[in-house]
Amino acid sequence: EDQVTQSPEALRLQEGESSSLNCSYTVSGLRGLFWYRQDPGKGPEFLFTLYSAGEEKEKERLKATLTKKESFLHITAPKPEDSATYLCAVRGGANNLFFGTGTRLTVIP
Amino acid sequence: DAGVTQSPTHLIKTRGQQVTLRCSPKSGHDTVSWYQQALGQGPQFIFQYYEEEERQRGNFPDRFSGHQFPNYSSELNVNALLLGDSALYLCASSLGPGARNQPQHFGDGTRLSIL
Repeated sequence: EDQVTQSPEALRLQEGESSSLNCSYTVSGLRGLFWYRQDPGKGPEFLFTLYSAGEEKEKERLKATLTKKESFLHITAPKPEDSATYLCAVRGGANNLFFGTGTRLTVIP
Repeated sequence: DAGVTQSPTHLIKTRGQQVTLRCSPKSGHDTVSWYQQALGQGPQFIFQYYEEEERQRGNFPDRFSGHQFPNYSSELNVNALLLGDSALYLCASSLGPGARNQPQHFGDGTRLSIL
């Protein structure tokens, strides 16, 4: 059965304090690992897709990496506008996405 | 370029009633998936529609049903509403049912409250 575990559940950072979010997964035949950002009252906003171990993607202050068992979302020198819930999801043999419960990030000015 | 649009944005119903939620996919997308997101949880897959047929279904009872129209828009119907059906219902669209390099793009959801 597909399983996604995200840690920590919540993270408070000072502006400029870099950190990483973790997504551990178990899936039969990974067909993509996806990172989304979700602001309160909004739908998830697509950030990255990763397909194979060793792959990395970057966008502004965010960098996503993938191994065979987990993915990391690295946040470099975060700003208050980076505050949001970050969701990780996997696509396995089925075509749907299986989501974790997310990491709620708060960046304090 | 219009993204995924959902209506209504908020809805209040009572137990036992029926509800219909609507979704228009992002321009160029032909596949629609529906998710339920409870407070503090990640989205849970309900079902996916492609070529006007339900292609895949998550672990949800038959009270949850859907439809896809020739213009690719979709509806989610829920019968005999329960208090536990209170959640944010998200629609996501993509090009092809699971095509590589094609992420799902989400709308802002319909917040359904059951009294």
